[in-house]
Amino acid sequence: DAMVIQNPRYQVTQFGKPVTLSCSQTLNHNVMYWYQQKSSQAPKLLFHYYDKDFNNEADTPDNFQSRRPNTSFCFLDIRSPGLGDAAMYLCATSRGGAAYEQYFGPGTRLTVT
Amino acid sequence: AQSVTQLDSHVSVSEGTPVLLRCNYSSSYSPSLFWYVQHPNKGLQLLLKYTSAATLVKGINGFEAEFKKSETSFHLTKPSAHMSDAAEYFCVVTPSNDYKLSFGAGTTVTVRA
Repeated sequence: DAMVIQNPRYQVTQFGKPVTLSCSQTLNHNVMYWYQQKSSQAPKLLFHYYDKDFNNEADTPDNFQSRRPNTSFCFLDIRSPGLGDAAMYLCATSRGGAAYEQYFGPGTRLTVT
Repeated sequence: AQSVTQLDSHVSVSEGTPVLLRCNYSSSYSPSLFWYVQHPNKGLQLLLKYTSAATLVKGINGFEAEFKKSETSFHLTKPSAHMSDAAEYFCVVTPSNDYKLSFGAGTTVTVRA
């Protein structure tokens, strides 16, 4: 089945130690998104790629970076994780028009020790 | 600009009784509207979407929603709740000139046996 895959599902990292989360899709969608979701909150958009064009949200900390080497893969890099970065990170894809829904991956639960 | 207000942060129903989740929106442009469901530690799953076609939208798992432009509402209903409906529900809007989602704060649904 076509889908959005996130690895790993659970990630533990140490305070200040760089970590990379990965997302892949078999839907061939133009747009890939990264969201941060903290407990009992709605997802918060960090950034997205429309094809190769990177779009950063104004309030996304510089500590968060992203790479999209090809259509299928997108990575979220946290350069120096702090305790406040512990959250669920969701990857999503869409075809890019307003009428198109986003397809979400299962998420990666990040713990910072 | 667009925004979404979910009028209930928590809804508790008995199994087999109707469920109503209320959502009001504001949007500068003709919006697309979505309801997503999120079970614990999972990604978001699309329940249904409205994109300027029929105002009564049927989704998966017996859910439906009605778009009422005059009331700027998009309430979600299900005639008979099942235990598996216990989850977090997000009402989401995107204007016709954009493809980024604006989330409501979410409604937690509890189903009593």
